[in-house]
Amino acid sequence: DAKTTQPNSMESNEEEPVHLPCNHSTISGTDYIHWYRQLPSQGPEYVIHGLTSNVNNRMASLAIAEDRKSSTLILHRATLRDAAVYYCILRSPPFTAGGTSYGKLTFGQGTILTVHP
Amino acid sequence: KAGVTQTPRYLIKTRGQQVTLSCSPISGHRSVSWYQQTPGQGLQFLFEYFSETQRNKGNFPGRFSGRQFSNSRSEMNVSTLELGDSALYLCASSRDGNTIYFGEGSWLTVV
Repeated sequence: DAKTTQPNSMESNEEEPVHLPCNHSTISGTDYIHWYRQLPSQGPEYVIHGLTSNVNNRMASLAIAEDRKSSTLILHRATLRDAAVYYCILRSPPFTAGGTSYGKLTFGQGTILTVHP
Repeated sequence: KAGVTQTPRYLIKTRGQQVTLSCSPISGHRSVSWYQQTPGQGLQFLFEYFSETQRNKGNFPGRFSGRQFSNSRSEMNVSTLELGDSALYLCASSRDGNTIYFGEGSWLTVV
């Protein structure tokens, strides 16, 4: 799997936007960019994923660079509940029943996000 | 809808013993994966099962094994436990491969 690089830690204030960067300079043309987060004492939680275009969902936005060598997870208004470790993961398709990447995630060290009240 | 359920949540075992952990995936999910999380190594993929067949395996010794039943429920077993096997073991399930849902994990302490 291609490697991702994330800052070890970041801090934010509550109700401010947070931009979590991820570098993936060796990404292949078919790799999807996935983000998961892990809150304290819980299992990881899916946040968002994308291929080329920017993506939005109720949790966050994903901005993908034009050359796809980097991406940014955007939390529009951080809350205390967003304090977690955020993982940027590259996944190779196919995500079909026969694909070997179907249920496999390769986690890096992630970014520890601290949110201050 | 019920999430991924893992049992037991906490357990303590002695070196040399074996342990079996259980996982019930989300209803309708046929893929079940297992992960080990330790402070030193982070989150590492153990193996994945789909329709009772092991599809993928991580870089762990043969002491780590698993299986999946016809109802998609899965178990993982670790034999001849070592101190270094102390970890959080996470189970995850998926319906379409795009989104993977994790349970809260089983905390294993080996003494």
